[in-house]
Amino acid sequence: DSGVTQTPKHLITATGQRVTLRCSPRSGDLSVYWYQQSLDQGLQFLIQYYNGEERAKGNILERFSAQQFPDLHSELNLSSLELGDSALYFCASSQVGGPNYGYTFGSGTRLTVV
Amino acid sequence: DQQVKQNSPSLSVQEGRISILNCDYTNSMFDYFLWYKKYPAEGPTFLISISSIKDKNEDGRFTVFLNKSAKHLSLHIVPSQPGDSAVYFCAASNSGSRLTFGEGTQLTVNP
Repeated sequence: DSGVTQTPKHLITATGQRVTLRCSPRSGDLSVYWYQQSLDQGLQFLIQYYNGEERAKGNILERFSAQQFPDLHSELNLSSLELGDSALYFCASSQVGGPNYGYTFGSGTRLTVV
Repeated sequence: DQQVKQNSPSLSVQEGRISILNCDYTNSMFDYFLWYKKYPAEGPTFLISISSIKDKNEDGRFTVFLNKSAKHLSLHIVPSQPGDSAVYFCAASNSGSRLTFGEGTQLTVNP
C-alpha cells in the first residue's frame, strides 16, 4: 500500500457520460498530480494541485476538470466521454510543490468507455 | 512535443546479466531525473534518481548514469533478476516542476 488511495479501481461507462475519479493523497502530502496512461503511451500529465490551488496544467481536455478539497483529497471529473478517453488514470502525491523526492502513485483507475 | 523519450518499448535479458535501459531528453532545462518501475495492476514506484550536478548514482543493483552533453541517461541493473521484470519509466523535472515521463520500456528477465 503506497498510501495514495484511488477509487474506483475499475469503471466502465458509455460514451457521453460523466464520471468522477477520486484520490486521497499520502498523509502529509500537499501536492496532487493527475496523469493519464493510454495504450502504449507514457504517463501524460494532466493537472497538479497544491494545498487546494491549481499549480500546473498539462494536456488536459476542456471536458476534464479537477479540484482539490480542504482535506486535500482530489477529484478528476471527466465529462462527455469518448471512446478515446479509455485509459488508466493515475493520481500521485508529493510532500512539497516539487517532485525531487519522488512522487507516490496510487494504483490507478482503469476507465473503459464503451 | 515528447521531451522525454524511451526509444525501446521492450528489452529481454537473461537472469544474472546486465539490463541497460535508455532514455533521451530534449529540454536542457531539466535538472533532476528519476526512474520509476511499474508492475501490472499497480502504480509506478520510485526507483532511483539523479541530479544534473552528478553523472552517476548507485543504489544496490541499480545505477543511473547521466550524460548531459548527450542529453541521455541510462539505468543499469546488475545482476538482473526475474522479479525485475516490469515497465520502467524515465522521468525528468525542471527546477522542481512536475515530472515529464517517457513512454516506458518493458523489461523481461528470463530465468
